[in-house]
Amino acid sequence: KAGVTQTPRYLIKTRGQQVTLSCSPISGHRSVSWYQQTPGQGLQFLFEYFSETQRNKGNFPGRFSGRQFSNSRSEMNVSTLELGDSALYLCASSLPPGELFFGEGSRLTVL
Amino acid sequence: SQKIEQNSEALNIQEGKTATLTCNYTNYSPAYLQWYRQDPGRGPVFLLLIRENEKEKRKERLKVTFDTTLKQSLFHITASQPADSATYLCAPEGEINAGNMLTFGGGTRLMVKP
Repeated sequence: KAGVTQTPRYLIKTRGQQVTLSCSPISGHRSVSWYQQTPGQGLQFLFEYFSETQRNKGNFPGRFSGRQFSNSRSEMNVSTLELGDSALYLCASSLPPGELFFGEGSRLTVL
Repeated sequence: SQKIEQNSEALNIQEGKTATLTCNYTNYSPAYLQWYRQDPGRGPVFLLLIRENEKEKRKERLKVTFDTTLKQSLFHITASQPADSATYLCAPEGEINAGNMLTFGGGTRLMVKP
């Protein structure tokens, strides 16, 4: 059974640009959540999608957005990138809620 | 505000000994608590989930306790091995069916020396 797949694994952007990250959950998992991990703030919840609807949202500015498709695949977008957005972005899927299966993450560097 | 505290200093122990990691939380009453392991540059991996009505849970060499009075969970690895070296994260949460909005502690790095 394939795990959670995130693409791209690494990317470098400059300030002001926007970025889209993709996540393919484990087959059959309908819940997809996104987390940001930085050395200073640790692992922080961004948002969660279930059946194409945003179910929960963390305390991040509106520059961070996401969506989920009918096949449960999810994307997150960060617009107008800032240096502080440099982080490891992790996607997790679950079935049932409670135990999360994380992908390997997308490492974003903003220059 | 809600706060989760894990020892930010690395825990260094000798192979074969028992490692004990602590997770303290304040200002909320979680219905369950999860523990994850994370290796450098990789996503966290789920280890154990314990509910508030379960005082202790075991899985192979792992044992987790959950004391809602002390607002604390202890995570034990017995007969530790160098391969157990990683960062361990705890995540106490309110309702298991409220979605996957987990709040993680800062993690404790465990180093097991041969």
